[in-house]
Amino acid sequence: DAKTTQPPSMDCAEGRAANLPCNHSTISGNEYVYWYRQIHSQGPQYIIHGLKNNETNEMASLIITEDRKSSTLILPHATLRDTAVYYCIVGSTYNTDKLIFGTGTRLQVFP
Amino acid sequence: GAGVSQSPSNKVTEKGKDVELRCDPISGHTALYWYRQSLGQGLEFLIYFQGNSAPDKSGLPSDRFSAERTGGSVSTLTIQRTQQEDSAVYLCASSPDRNSYEQYFGPGTRLTVT
Repeated sequence: DAKTTQPPSMDCAEGRAANLPCNHSTISGNEYVYWYRQIHSQGPQYIIHGLKNNETNEMASLIITEDRKSSTLILPHATLRDTAVYYCIVGSTYNTDKLIFGTGTRLQVFP
Repeated sequence: GAGVSQSPSNKVTEKGKDVELRCDPISGHTALYWYRQSLGQGLEFLIYFQGNSAPDKSGLPSDRFSAERTGGSVSTLTIQRTQQEDSAVYLCASSPDRNSYEQYFGPGTRLTVT
């Protein structure tokens, strides 16, 4: 089981913010939320991860609700190159032996 | 520096033949992972190495699948007596160690069994 639920697809206009939701209602106290993306015909790429505080890096921001049952990945200014499948994954930093990828959200950025 | 590399990038083989897929992880990364991705599907975990040992082989789909890693570096995934359902993209990833939060993926090997 992937332990996360994501919408199968979303659209976003270029230059606008893309907000990708993820539900992880069964997350346990020591589990992190990881986001990866997979551009067509490439291997997945790490984006960001967090435990309970909001996180930001050069690629994206991660907003985690106070109860930690859901989160949102934000791409502040989407570009055409951000078109990809985005995977939300729950796992422990101390047991990242395998990432359980679900089917993700296919984000289509249009001009 | 160089990322994770995999070879071959594409492999077409006849049903019943054996195939070997190779993964060169990032230098110094002790953890190495194999996944496969069937058309339109998410990633399926196959096996994980820490150094040369494989503490978790739970994802290997059958005894036709095996993997080894030598010198704590290169890994080979072998599929014996290939079947059409083995057709998929086989992805390799590495990370500095098992406690790292980021896995670095290679471009994958697309295997087609005819």
